[in-house]
Amino acid sequence: DAGITQSPRHKVTETGTPVTLRCHQTENHRYMYWYRQDPGHGLRLIHYSYGVKDTDKGEVSDGYSVSRSKTEDFLLTLESATSSQTSVYFCAIAETSASSETQYFGPGTRLLVL
Amino acid sequence: GQSLEQPSEVTAVEGAIVQINCTYQTSGFYGLSWYQQHDGGAPTFLSYNALDGLEETGRFSSFLSRSDSYGYLLLQELQMKDSASYFCAVLFDDKIIFGKGTRLHILP
Repeated sequence: DAGITQSPRHKVTETGTPVTLRCHQTENHRYMYWYRQDPGHGLRLIHYSYGVKDTDKGEVSDGYSVSRSKTEDFLLTLESATSSQTSVYFCAIAETSASSETQYFGPGTRLLVL
Repeated sequence: GQSLEQPSEVTAVEGAIVQINCTYQTSGFYGLSWYQQHDGGAPTFLSYNALDGLEETGRFSSFLSRSDSYGYLLLQELQMKDSASYFCAVLFDDKIIFGKGTRLHILP
C-alpha cells in the first residue's frame, strides 16, 4: 500500500469555523489531489498540486484553499465551514501525473459541519 | 464539458459474469481507468485502458472504444467480496475526472 495518511480521520465542527485537513505521503510523489465524495456525486476534484507551491483548482474549489510547502504534505482548508461541506474527503497521490494511470488514495476524512 | 455516465446500480449472482458500462462525453484524454470502493473504504485502482481494446487482469477485464465513446468493466466468476462501488474515470495530463459510480450487488 502507498504510504498516504490523512488527519484527522473524523471531525465535527460548527458552521463558520475554519477547518484544516492534512494529507501526508511518504512516497515522494509529485502530484497530490483533494476530492470530496457525496452520495450521487461520486468523487469530485477540489484542488490539486503538481509540485511544491504549485496548485490549481478542480471542479468544486469554491470555499476551499490548499497549500503545499513540502513535497510530503498537502493541506486543505475550509476558511469558514458550511453545512454543504459536510462530506468525506479523500486525498490521492500520483507518481508522475494523472496520465500515469494510477492514483493512490488515502483512507479519507469524514467531516460533519453542524 | 466533461461527463461520464454509469448505471447507478447493477445486480448479479455469485459465480456469474457482470458488465458495468461507462459512456463519456469528453475528448483529449489519455485513457480510461476503473476503481473499486468498498463501503467505508478508499477507492483502489483496478484497471486502465490507454488504447482501444480489452485489458485483462485476473478476473477483471476492461474495454475501451474511443470511436464509440464507451468503455466497460467486466467481472467474471463473481464473489461476494466483489460487492462494492465501481467508478470509471478519464485521465487528463494533470487530473482525473470520475463518474458517479455503479453499486454492484451480488446475490448468493
